[in-house]
Amino acid sequence: GNSVTQMEGPVTLSEEAFLTINCTYTATGYPSLFWYVQYPGEGLQLLLKATKADDKGSNKGFEATYRKETTSFHLEKGSVQVSDSAVYFCALQGAQKLVFGQGTRLTINP
Amino acid sequence: NAGVTQTPKFQVLKTGQSMTLQCAQDMNHEYMSWYRQDPGMGLRLIHYSVGAGITDQGEVPNGYNVSRSTTEDFPLRLLSAAPSQTSVYFCASSYSIAGVSSYNSPLHFGNGTRLTVT
Repeated sequence: GNSVTQMEGPVTLSEEAFLTINCTYTATGYPSLFWYVQYPGEGLQLLLKATKADDKGSNKGFEATYRKETTSFHLEKGSVQVSDSAVYFCALQGAQKLVFGQGTRLTINP
Repeated sequence: NAGVTQTPKFQVLKTGQSMTLQCAQDMNHEYMSWYRQDPGMGLRLIHYSVGAGITDQGEVPNGYNVSRSTTEDFPLRLLSAAPSQTSVYFCASSYSIAGVSSYNSPLHFGNGTRLTVT
């Protein structure tokens, strides 16, 4: 069945550091892929998405490229800010539902 | 601009008690769903609905019931609460999950209900 695996957290970085959060998936076909972000005390919000192989999704300085050959969708940001502290979820679109990874908690220290 | 509204925000139950978690959306979304979020396990789908009168089971449906009598509302019922149901519950909706990419309609989440069963 479809599944998503994210790098284990928590991840702690200093402000302005480079961020990578790894995400790999198992799926039949080529599903759409997503990154969602959850700020403290809130629900999840869509951060970015990619709908086909080699697409790059981007938003708020974050980027992720849909890599069919490595079944990956890693999240990157060149210079993180304290306000990026949150839990990040990778997800893929399955039949009638989204399948989420376990989430990666990111903390950015000033 | 309410979006997805969940009530209550917090709830404490004793084992064996029943309760209903409410979820309402004002975006005329066809698709609604319930997830539970547990540490280290991400979000797991409990039940979902693709339209009024239609519901189906997700990954972890046992112990939960749902109904969808209107487009706007999708309540989640715990008939006899157990400590294993202690979790944070999220309701989410979308215009159409099957076309979530083509319709450019992401899943919209409520702010969650934190449930503790003692």
